[in-house]
Amino acid sequence: SQTIHQWPATLVQPVGSPLSLECTVEGTSNPNLYWYRQAAGRGLQLLFYSVGIGQISSEVPQNLSASRPQDRQFILSSKKLLLSDSGFYLCAWTLPDLAGSPLHFGNGTRLTVT
Amino acid sequence: AQSVTQPDIHITVSEGASLELRCNYSYGATPYLFWYVQSPGQGLQLLLKYFSGDTLVQGIKGFEAEFKRSQSSFNLRKPSVHWSDAAEYFCAVGVSGGYNKLIFGAGTRLAVHP
Repeated sequence: SQTIHQWPATLVQPVGSPLSLECTVEGTSNPNLYWYRQAAGRGLQLLFYSVGIGQISSEVPQNLSASRPQDRQFILSSKKLLLSDSGFYLCAWTLPDLAGSPLHFGNGTRLTVT
Repeated sequence: AQSVTQPDIHITVSEGASLELRCNYSYGATPYLFWYVQSPGQGLQLLLKYFSGDTLVQGIKGFEAEFKRSQSSFNLRKPSVHWSDAAEYFCAVGVSGGYNKLIFGAGTRLAVHP
């Protein structure tokens, strides 16, 4: 069966520091991968998605970037964090080339920028 | 543009009472629709999904949802709520041709009174 791992679970970082959140998927090949952000009291905002190694699509211009160095690895990064980057970050995967395939989420990373 | 509206931000019900969470979507074609549940500090778990066919779909944990095209709605229901159902619930619409991107509503937080 497929599993998704996301780490760290929580992170407190000062403004201006770099960020790296990692997500890996097991048990499937060539998944579509996604990064969502959930701000307090708000819904989920899609940040990036990827349909293959090195293929990244950005949904919202921002201070963050994403990379996919391996088939089942998805990384969210920032060179300099802003206070507004605080939130709950969720990685998700879905089967490729299957319209309507549901997303499967990791347990999330709670990021607090101080 | 595609969108999802969950009109109720907070709902409180008594344990054993029935539940209905509302969801309205805006999408030009036949939608793929999903309901997810999120416990505090956790990722999202898929409750049920609608692709086509029978407009009443059954999910996990005793939940069901009904797709009504004429009302652009996909309301979630449960006949008898348990205290463990207290969580946040998200409705989402899948964007066809968009690499299985999901557009989420803002969520409804459910509280259950004993």
